[in-house]
Amino acid sequence: SQQGEEDPQALSIQEGENATMNCSYKTSINNLQWYRQNSGRGLVHLILIRSNEREKHSGRLRVTLDTSKKSSSLLITASRAADTASYFCATDYSGTYKYIFGTGTRLKVLA
Amino acid sequence: DAGVIQSPRHEVTEMGQEVTLRCKPISGHNSLFWYRQTMMRGLELLIYFNNNVPIDDSGMPEDRFSAKMPNASFSTLKIQPSEPRDSAVYFCASSSRIIQETQYFGPGTRLLVL
Repeated sequence: SQQGEEDPQALSIQEGENATMNCSYKTSINNLQWYRQNSGRGLVHLILIRSNEREKHSGRLRVTLDTSKKSSSLLITASRAADTASYFCATDYSGTYKYIFGTGTRLKVLA
Repeated sequence: DAGVIQSPRHEVTEMGQEVTLRCKPISGHNSLFWYRQTMMRGLELLIYFNNNVPIDDSGMPEDRFSAKMPNASFSTLKIQPSEPRDSAVYFCASSSRIIQETQYFGPGTRLLVL
């Protein structure tokens, strides 16, 4: 399976702390995205990083990509209770916009 | 601006019955995706359309599943006959010609087959 794997599967932190989750994938990619899913809702796009980029920022989000290790990380700084959700990475292997989603990290931010 | 609209939001049916899920993509988007999400298998791409044409249906689990997109503003995913193992949340997503990488997801249809 080409499915990416997120690590950890679950993460519980206190409000104000930083949250880091990782995604590993198996073959070369064109780009990688991170999505958030609140309980019982659809996925929401957070950020995209292309294969020739190493780091991107968007507000409190920081994404890194290491193509040599076939891994990406998502850092959420100064977490809030509203950040409680599942986070998925999605990889485009073929350049056809057919994304393969990872297994997800369940983040719980305690107030 | 309305997002992706899916109906019904919840569906409970008995094994053997036909199930039809509906999706209205965001106006102006030219790609549409159907996904299935379960605890065991995560989020799986079933089929995607570009300009109303099915491009890749390799994720459709078996012949009981079929999908159509008769026009740019409507798509259906049909399961006939349904089985208990089809119980899942089915998502529809769309993306635009300009920013094709970003997919906008609907709220999903939670299907329970008894």
